[in-house]
Amino acid sequence: GNSVTQMEGPVTLSEEAFLTINCTYTATGYPSLFWYVQYPGEGLQLLLKATKADDKGSNKGFEATYRKETTSFHLEKGSVQVSDSAVYFCACMDTGRRALTFGSGTRLQVQP
Amino acid sequence: DGGITQSPKYLFRKEGQNVTLSCEQNLNHDAMYWYRQDPGQGLRLIYYSQIVNDFQKGDIAEGYSVSREKKESFPLTVTSAQKNPTAFYLCASTVGQGSNQPQHFGDGTRLSIL
Repeated sequence: GNSVTQMEGPVTLSEEAFLTINCTYTATGYPSLFWYVQYPGEGLQLLLKATKADDKGSNKGFEATYRKETTSFHLEKGSVQVSDSAVYFCACMDTGRRALTFGSGTRLQVQP
Repeated sequence: DGGITQSPKYLFRKEGQNVTLSCEQNLNHDAMYWYRQDPGQGLRLIYYSQIVNDFQKGDIAEGYSVSREKKESFPLTVTSAQKNPTAFYLCASTVGQGSNQPQHFGDGTRLSIL
């Protein structure tokens, strides 16, 4: 089955710093890839997605590019804000079950 | 507004008791899912349903049961056979066609043991 590996957290940054959260996946074929964000006590919200190789997903200043040669989908943001503090999950679509396989999540803490 | 409603937000279970978590969606989505989240971990798939009156086991189905009698509803029962039920449970749904559609999530139910 599919698997997703994320960098461990927590990641602590100062406001306006550059953010990278690494994500690599193992899957058959070329599944759709997603980043979700979870705020304390809440469910997951879709942040961005990419459905084929070389696609770039973007939203709210966050970006991630689907790299099939390195099976990666790293999340980046040029300038983080305190409000970006949350847990970020990388996910890969299991095309057979049409269910998501998630990484373990990376907690981001942004300090003012 | 369309969305997924999970209830209750907090639930407590006594030893030997079955409890049922509710999940309702008004997005007209075909597929629905249940995930379990443990502290510091990602989500693991419990059960999923691609269509009414049909569902399949996910990766950690033991000790859980579901039904899908209506398109908008996908309740999860945590049975007494689930020995470690304390977790955060998330319900999700998606449009049934294709595999590139994102899943929409509810706000979760936190289950604890009394």
